[in-house]
Amino acid sequence: AQSVTQLDSHVSVSEGTPVLLRCNYSSSYSPSLFWYVQHPNKGLQLLLKYTSAATLVKGINGFEAEFKKSETSFHLTKPSAHMSDAAEYFCVVNKGAQKLVFGQGTRLTINP
Amino acid sequence: GAVVSQHPSWVICKSGTSVKIECRSLDFQATTMFWYRQFPKQSLMLMATSNEGSKATYEQGVEKDKFLINHASLTLSTLTVTSAHPEDSSFYICSATRGALSNQPQHFGDGTRLSIL
Repeated sequence: AQSVTQLDSHVSVSEGTPVLLRCNYSSSYSPSLFWYVQHPNKGLQLLLKYTSAATLVKGINGFEAEFKKSETSFHLTKPSAHMSDAAEYFCVVNKGAQKLVFGQGTRLTINP
Repeated sequence: GAVVSQHPSWVICKSGTSVKIECRSLDFQATTMFWYRQFPKQSLMLMATSNEGSKATYEQGVEKDKFLINHASLTLSTLTVTSAHPEDSSFYICSATRGALSNQPQHFGDGTRLSIL
């Protein structure tokens, strides 16, 4: 069965410093993985997706993620945090038939 | 980019009433839409898969008579919470995909916050 685990429920960084949001996946086959961001009282916006074309995936707003099969990881990174990055981030795997399985979410706080 | 519109964004109603939430794909046809429920500070839980022209597929534990889903056209799916009670209060989010491939991302609406008094 496909699943994802986000290793941190809350991450706090200073503005201008790097961001790392960790996600491990479990899948019996090559997965389709996504990162979504949710701002308060809003729906989810797609940051990036991995579909086996390239292991390093670049997304919007300067985010990127690297698929590491040996580590079953798909961590999300950004070189320099901005105040507007403060939000909830979800690592998501497609479990087939287009059904998504969401991680527990990581709340990112940016300190001025 | 793809846009999914959800209406209303916020609704407050009395216990026992029924509430309808609409989900529209504005610039593409969506044969499949999804309905999620999100409790405060928690992740999204898939409630059901809405298929145009056929019955919705509900996840285990979701009452199909409680949460009625209709997908009458390729751009509109509706979720009706029937005889709503305070425990139905939640944030409901819909999503839609452009195609049928599993690597296609889902595009989400902005959600509906439902409060039952």
